[in-house]
Amino acid sequence: GAVVSQHPSRVICKSGTSVKIECRSLDFQATTMFWYRQFPKQSLMLMATSNEGSKATYEQGVEKDKFLINHASLTLSTLTVTSAHPEDSSFYICSAPRGGGFQETQYFGPGTRLLVL
Amino acid sequence: LAKTTQPISMDSYEGQEVNITCSHNNIATNDYITWYQQFPSQGPRFIIQGYKTKVTNEVASLFIPADRKSSTLSLPRVSLSDTAVYYCLVFRDTGRRALTFGSGTRLQVQP
Repeated sequence: GAVVSQHPSRVICKSGTSVKIECRSLDFQATTMFWYRQFPKQSLMLMATSNEGSKATYEQGVEKDKFLINHASLTLSTLTVTSAHPEDSSFYICSAPRGGGFQETQYFGPGTRLLVL
Repeated sequence: LAKTTQPISMDSYEGQEVNITCSHNNIATNDYITWYQQFPSQGPRFIIQGYKTKVTNEVASLFIPADRKSSTLSLPRVSLSDTAVYYCLVFRDTGRRALTFGSGTRLQVQP
C-alpha cells in the first residue's frame, strides 16, 4: 500500500491565488522530504529539500518566496505555491526516505496536478 | 553523483523478458543503484536497488557486474501493464539524499 500520500491530487486555481499541497508519510517518520516538479514528457526535477525543524533548502533557480515549504511535523510537509501563474502549472511530487544507509528507499507520493488558469 | 545513461526508449511484446541497461561509469564506492517505474500522472514507484552482483525480488532482477559501471534491470515476461518509464538512479548513502532523475527509458509493450 501507499506509504506517502499527497493532497489534493488535482487542483485548478485562478492566476494570482495561492495553493497548498500536503505530503504525508503514512507509517513512518521523515525528518527530510523532497519536492519535485515534472512537466509533460519530461523527467522529475528536484525543487527543494524539506527539513523538519529547520528551513528548506532550494535548488538553484527555484524561488523560495514563491514556493513556500513548511515541514510541520515528522510526517507532514507542505508546499505552497504563492501567487500562482499559468507557468506554474505542473505535476508536483513529494518523496520521503525510509530506512537508512544502503537500505534506504525513497517513497514517492502519487503527485498533485496543478492547473493555473 | 555518477551520471547515468540509459536508452531513451525500448519496445517489446507481451511475455518477453526485457533487459534495460544503464551505465554509470563514475560510480563511487558508497553509491548504490536504484530503479523506479513511473506511469503517466503518477509518482515514481520503487522497483529494486542493489550494490553489487545480483538482486531479485518479486517483480524484477538487477544485475550489477563487478566493476559496477553498469547495471541491468531485468523484467521477466512483461505484460501491457509494464508499459511505463523506467529510471535508473545512483544514490549515495551519505550527504545529499535526494534522487537525481535522468531522462529514463520509455518501455512500450505491444500485444
